[in-house]
Amino acid sequence: NAGVMQNPRHLVRRRGQEARLRCSPMKGHSHVYWYRQLPEEGLKFMVYLQKENIIDESGMPKERFSAEFPKEGPSILRIQQVVRGDSAAYFCASSPLGTSGTGANVLTFGAGSRLTVL
Amino acid sequence: AQKITQTQPGMFVQEKEAVTLDCTYDTSDPSYGLFWYKQPSSGEMIFLIYQGSYDQQNATEGRYSLNFQKARKSANLVISASQLGDSAMYFCAMREVGSSASKIIFGSGTRLSIRP
Repeated sequence: NAGVMQNPRHLVRRRGQEARLRCSPMKGHSHVYWYRQLPEEGLKFMVYLQKENIIDESGMPKERFSAEFPKEGPSILRIQQVVRGDSAAYFCASSPLGTSGTGANVLTFGAGSRLTVL
Repeated sequence: AQKITQTQPGMFVQEKEAVTLDCTYDTSDPSYGLFWYKQPSSGEMIFLIYQGSYDQQNATEGRYSLNFQKARKSANLVISASQLGDSAMYFCAMREVGSSASKIIFGSGTRLSIRP
């Protein structure tokens, strides 16, 4: 029963290039969340998606960043024209479908993708 | 708006002692959940413990317990009999239960170092 799978684990890009980060949620989970963590800081919420729907993108920068979670395949976080300030660890987390509104909907995290922009 | 505050950037504790990591929160939603996660140096995020706002008793999971004081809006994590492997970053987090799977927000974290 594989956990949340993220790849690549490490990605190096030059300024102006594109970065694509992939996340496969746990089996049976249809909610995906993306977080960004700068060095020595906490996790900042970016976006919450369900299959084929963006539910909450209040934490996404207005430009260059996009996310999708297609019907088939992993969720993708895409960063266009990367800049040095995009260097961070990007974590994906998933939670199961149909959890009641009790709040006890624990997020299971992947190991993270560490983006370095040269 | 929801907010999580962790006021201890770093702590040093002697092995086998108990340690309390502070967390306060702010929300206008009467229904919410509180979480603690551990992030060791390897970087992964490990779920430790959960407390619901309507839970009558403080949550416990092995050596972890959550000191939930609702009126003070605090949710401190207590680790009993600390071990060297407890050295890590610890994050407090909260979800407002407006929908079944709304986002979780995190505090800035506390770096715990256990001395042998």
